[in-house]
Amino acid sequence: NAGVTQTPKFRVLKTGQSMTLLCAQDMNHEYMYWYRQDPGMGLRLIHYSVGEGTTAKGEVPDGYNVSRLKKQNFLLGLESAAPSQTSVYFCASEGGLNTEAFFGQGTRLTVV
Amino acid sequence: DAKTTQPPSMDCAEGRAANLPCNHSTISGNEYVYWYRQIHSQGPQYIIHGLKNNETNEMASLIITEDRKSSTLILPHATLRDTAVYYCIVRVNNAGNMLTFGGGTRLMVKP
Repeated sequence: NAGVTQTPKFRVLKTGQSMTLLCAQDMNHEYMYWYRQDPGMGLRLIHYSVGEGTTAKGEVPDGYNVSRLKKQNFLLGLESAAPSQTSVYFCASEGGLNTEAFFGQGTRLTVV
Repeated sequence: DAKTTQPPSMDCAEGRAANLPCNHSTISGNEYVYWYRQIHSQGPQYIIHGLKNNETNEMASLIITEDRKSSTLILPHATLRDTAVYYCIVRVNNAGNMLTFGGGTRLMVKP
């Protein structure tokens, strides 16, 4: 039981490049979330999903897209990376209401 | 979701109890109080949550005031490994109601 796994752990992008961050969970959880955390700040929600095939915008969705084609995977895409997207990205999953969320170990992304 | 207020930082001596306060004066009747912590740059870790009764697990105790306007997370015997940022979050347990993180309290456990 690996929990929540994020791929990759580190990445450096040039401005304008695209990439996809993968979040995989093996706990059969319905809810999945993508957050970003800038230095010295709390986590901010980018997008989330309440089930396979569904996605919704969070607090800071601009510049990102997501997909949840399979229940166990939640993908975060950057179509045209910008330096302002330099951050640590965390994925989380939750089994249902009144339960705890499990977080991945983060992806450290630098856009130059 | 109701807003929470936490002190930005606290110190605690190793082996002593750490009492972390959280104010949530605008909490509504169906909102739960959750606590998470983030050690260094790792992903946040769930600690405990409750609605109105006090709760205890192997990590901590959660004391919620009778009017539910504030709560305290208690780490009974703090260790150096408990040094982290602690987040108090209030949340309605409805589908899609996400966790909203504020600034948290940076707890420093000192030898």
